[in-house]
Amino acid sequence: QQQVKQSPQSLIVQKGGISIINCAYENTAFDYFPWYQQFPGKGPALLIAIRPDVSEKKEGRFTISFNKSAKQFSLHIMDSQPGDSATYFCAARFKAAGNKLTFGGGTRVLVKP
Amino acid sequence: DGGITQSPKYLFRKEGQNVTLSCEQNLNHDAMYWYRQDPGQGLRLIYYSQIVNDFQKGDIAEGYSVSREKKESFPLTVTSAQKNPTAFYLCASSETGGVTALHFGNGTRLTVT
Repeated sequence: QQQVKQSPQSLIVQKGGISIINCAYENTAFDYFPWYQQFPGKGPALLIAIRPDVSEKKEGRFTISFNKSAKQFSLHIMDSQPGDSATYFCAARFKAAGNKLTFGGGTRVLVKP
Repeated sequence: DGGITQSPKYLFRKEGQNVTLSCEQNLNHDAMYWYRQDPGQGLRLIYYSQIVNDFQKGDIAEGYSVSREKKESFPLTVTSAQKNPTAFYLCASSETGGVTALHFGNGTRLTVT
């Protein structure tokens, strides 16, 4: 049972455009929602994260929007650059299980110059 | 440099053979994890360990085994009972207590023919 659903599976955006990736979760006991960025042949690296008591968090060109009532959160990449081309994963932590994360299926982003 | 080392990067085995993937960390983290990555399915948790000499099954533990004899090391054995062992395997670590990020290694790509 996939507890975190991520969409789209892939997207193509022009340089300077906005990339938007959406995730939805089912378990209201999740208490921490990180996003990871993965380049080919590498392990994922933490990009940005949010707690459910905050509706938005911004770090540089990356912004997480969080809608607790809808159980949805999204990643916005502003002014997308070719170097942002990677696979992005949303995730959620179930507090009672330590730092064990449940991941979404991933979104492959291609930024065209 | 602190980090997680997974070796080898590529591994080839014949069907019916057990194979052990290495994971070593020098981050002094108590918790370690093994994830499996398949295209379109995100990262799925195989096993995790929050302390030496203790580990728990994740969502897809069947056909895998682990040991945690040292804080720095968390090897994963893919046994012949695993029906679809070809995948990209990622090891991660984190601190325990509170909310902290997972730090990933660069993975081992296992191909079984």
